Amino acid sequence: DGGITQSPKYLFRKEGQNVTLSCEQNLNHDAMYWYRQDPGQGLRLIYYSQIVNDFQKGDIAEGYSVSREKKESFPLTVTSAQKNPTAFYLCASSIDRGTGDQPQHFGDGTRLSIL
Amino acid sequence: SQQGEEDPQALSIQEGENATMNCSYKTSINNLQWYRQNSGRGLVHLILIRSNEREKHSGRLRVTLDTSKKSSSLLITASRAADTASYFCATDAVVVQGAQKLVFGQGTRLTINP
Repeated sequence: DGGITQSPKYLFRKEGQNVTLSCEQNLNHDAMYWYRQDPGQGLRLIYYSQIVNDFQKGDIAEGYSVSREKKESFPLTVTSAQKNPTAFYLCASSIDRGTGDQPQHFGDGTRLSIL
Repeated sequence: SQQGEEDPQALSIQEGENATMNCSYKTSINNLQWYRQNSGRGLVHLILIRSNEREKHSGRLRVTLDTSKKSSSLLITASRAADTASYFCATDAVVVQGAQKLVFGQGTRLTINP
């Protein structure tokens, strides 16, 4: 079965700690995305990547970092500089033809909380 | 600010009734998509409508698009308890470094009462 796997499902961060959220896809999609969702809110784009070894900042990139060393993987690091990291993080992927007409496929998210 | 704004923010109806959700946006688009999110899960793509289309159907879903009013609606007919979820519209109006990216609204929380 093709899809996107996010891990862990729940994650707790201590003060001053960096944590990394995993996102793996086996859909052979070029584009991958990270979103943050706060309670009762929509999704805000953190970072996205259209191709291996390239990524772009989204609307709320401060305090986050990513890498895209493999097509299948797009890990997100929440750094200690992110002062309000408590949120639901969603990873997505899509075929990206730059036309905006491809659906995004989502993982089931990681819920990050502060200890 | 969000490109797409859903209305209402929350909707509660009886099973079997129809549910209508609206989405308004501010700038020109090429496509608009609707997604569903069950509690604590990721989003699931429902339907995409292009700017040159006025209406699209998929099973019990009907989506309309009025580009002159910059608005779209999602109608779910004969609702079921399993339709309880949040529904989001997403537009492709924002162009970043040559790539169009989706911008999501804040969603409508739909509750179907048995």
